[in-house]
Amino acid sequence: DTAVSQTPKYLVTQMGNDKSIKCEQNLGHDTMYWYKQDSKKFLKIMFSYNNKELIINETVPNRFSPKSPDKAHLNLHINSLELGDSAVYFCASSQSRVAQLFFGSGTQLSVL
Amino acid sequence: AQSVAQPEDQVNVAEGNPLTVKCTYSVSGNPYLFWYVQYPNRGLQFLLKYITGDNLVKGSYGFEAEFNKSQTSFHLKKPSALVSDSALYFCAVRDAAGANNLFFGTGTRLTVIP
Repeated sequence: DTAVSQTPKYLVTQMGNDKSIKCEQNLGHDTMYWYKQDSKKFLKIMFSYNNKELIINETVPNRFSPKSPDKAHLNLHINSLELGDSAVYFCASSQSRVAQLFFGSGTQLSVL
Repeated sequence: AQSVAQPEDQVNVAEGNPLTVKCTYSVSGNPYLFWYVQYPNRGLQFLLKYITGDNLVKGSYGFEAEFNKSQTSFHLKKPSALVSDSALYFCAVRDAAGANNLFFGTGTRLTVIP
């Protein structure tokens, strides 16, 4: 069983569209994250959720909104997609502040 | 503020030779330090971490890292490189007293030459 799974793996869409990426973890972790990896492979934290509460909200555009129906899921919704949103988005989870993050396999988003 | 620096974008090493991938960090409190590896078109895989205790930390696939507080460094090492070690390596830091997120360095691409 995949520990952290995210869907879809690939997402190709037009500018201006709204899309969602889903993430689920079956590890029983308390905290989940979304990271963005750009074309230069830089990884940037976008959001993290702890027990369904947003505890970090980095300076990302408000077109991006995390949604967590329960502590095993953290979905990423993106409104009005722009060319610059093209990147690989990684979901991750961790048990605690000292524990390592477990990453999903990523979602390659291409905005045309 | 937390930050991580990986001064080398690319490291090349011959198979069988020792390898080092450098990392320095900056945090206001005590650091929690991590190394991750990313293979092409894959997510990040955890290699090892330093939280407290011995400065030399051993991890997966024969990798180890040494925490040096005075130099604020956490270099990744392996005594004998394999071609299969070729990948992108990320150092990451979390401030023990600060926010919950993990900050990553810019990555170092390791190429092991047969």
